[in-house]
Amino acid sequence: GAVVSQHPSWVICKSGTSVKIECRSLDFQATTMFWYRQFPKQSLMLMATSNEGSKATYEQGVEKDKFLINHASLTLSTLTVTSAHPEDSSFYICSAPTLAGGPSYNEQFFGPGTRLTVL
Amino acid sequence: AQSVTQLGSHVSVSEGALVLLRCNYSSSVPPYLFWYVQYPNQGLQLLLKYTSAATLVKGINGFEAEFKKSETSFHLTKPSAHMSDAAEYFCAVSDQGNTPLVFGKGTRLSVIA
Repeated sequence: GAVVSQHPSWVICKSGTSVKIECRSLDFQATTMFWYRQFPKQSLMLMATSNEGSKATYEQGVEKDKFLINHASLTLSTLTVTSAHPEDSSFYICSAPTLAGGPSYNEQFFGPGTRLTVL
Repeated sequence: AQSVTQLGSHVSVSEGALVLLRCNYSSSVPPYLFWYVQYPNQGLQLLLKYTSAATLVKGINGFEAEFKKSETSFHLTKPSAHMSDAAEYFCAVSDQGNTPLVFGKGTRLSVIA
């Protein structure tokens, strides 16, 4: 199946600093990518939809000025957590759907996630 | 709007026993349904998916699920639990392949030796 990578896999930062998380589709092009957040022992909640070449669409309650999303190419989307605070500590996961034919059609591929800890 | 309800936040079974994890969905259009497994501090692994083909879907690691439209259910089963099946399981729904998934709250499966 298709592969989605995330970098870094974990990051620890001080409160007030900014952190960038990369999501890459390694062997397919993704015009759309999704960013989810998962707090400990909770489910995944959609934060935003990243669209290549256009502005991201944010879910209600997600601050677009705090969580900056850039989808500069067909294989890369980045999520920047600006002025991070301890309450932003979470597991961030991206996914990308593949619209290619075959058995993976209409399937989304998830990255391995990035664990962010803000001190 | 779509939604998923997973009944039981925690299910405990004995090794070798039947595994049954329940999932009910709500969707105004024919849904795409998925089951994912997540091990601690790891990402999601797709177990199986329903995309309007056969109603009985077989997945990896011996899991299968049956889509029942009349009951709006997509329960996950495995005939014989292994210790390695202990993990968090998420049911998810979308209305198309390129739309975001809506996840249930998850069910933690424990397997007792």
